[in-house]
Amino acid sequence: GAVVSQHPSWVICKSGTSVKIECRSLDFQATTMFWYRQFPKQSLMLMATSNEGSKATYEQGVEKDKFLINHASLTLSTLTVTSAHPEDSSFYICSASLSGRTTEQFFGPGTRLTVL
Amino acid sequence: GESVGLHLPTLSVQEGDNSIINCAYSNSASDYFIWYKQESGKGPQFIIDIRSNMDKRQGQRVTVLLNKTVKHLSLQIAATQPGDSAVYFCAENIAGYSTLTFGKGTMLLVSP
Repeated sequence: GAVVSQHPSWVICKSGTSVKIECRSLDFQATTMFWYRQFPKQSLMLMATSNEGSKATYEQGVEKDKFLINHASLTLSTLTVTSAHPEDSSFYICSASLSGRTTEQFFGPGTRLTVL
Repeated sequence: GESVGLHLPTLSVQEGDNSIINCAYSNSASDYFIWYKQESGKGPQFIIDIRSNMDKRQGQRVTVLLNKTVKHLSLQIAATQPGDSAVYFCAENIAGYSTLTFGKGTMLLVSP
């Protein structure tokens, strides 16, 4: 149980285009989902916390207008990287928490974004 | 032996050895800690957790030790196997907050 999926698993796009990444909790309802970014040989850095039906909370230094997060249902959150640039190339990982148990996060497999 | 790379410390061990991976955390208010394993190109996988009211917790082939006095956490893996090769991260959480803060990570390389 507690499986989280991401789609796509990898994406290559041209500079200036927008890319949407989906995060789904497959067998549980997730009140809270988290989006992380991970550069090569570095740790996971939290970008934002997403609560179903409300606006996401962004970490300091993360541009909310560039990284649009939508958490429209208890099983789906999306991250849209708008006007992507090569420096946005990274591994994007989402996680989801069971309702009422926010310290227990289940991680998705990640999405590799490459911006040319 | 253990070496510090440009970004990621690396621990190299022989198959069958015991491995100890260390983590220093920064926030004395943290009261919940988790170890994750991350294989190349994949998301983190939960290994074991510990709350601050404990100093040791054991799982299958893994043990986590917590020293709150010096804000140090360690993960011990017994009889390390090639399949244990991955990057290991500790993460900390403060009661009342939903977010996790990840440590820098250690790459474990197990040679047959």
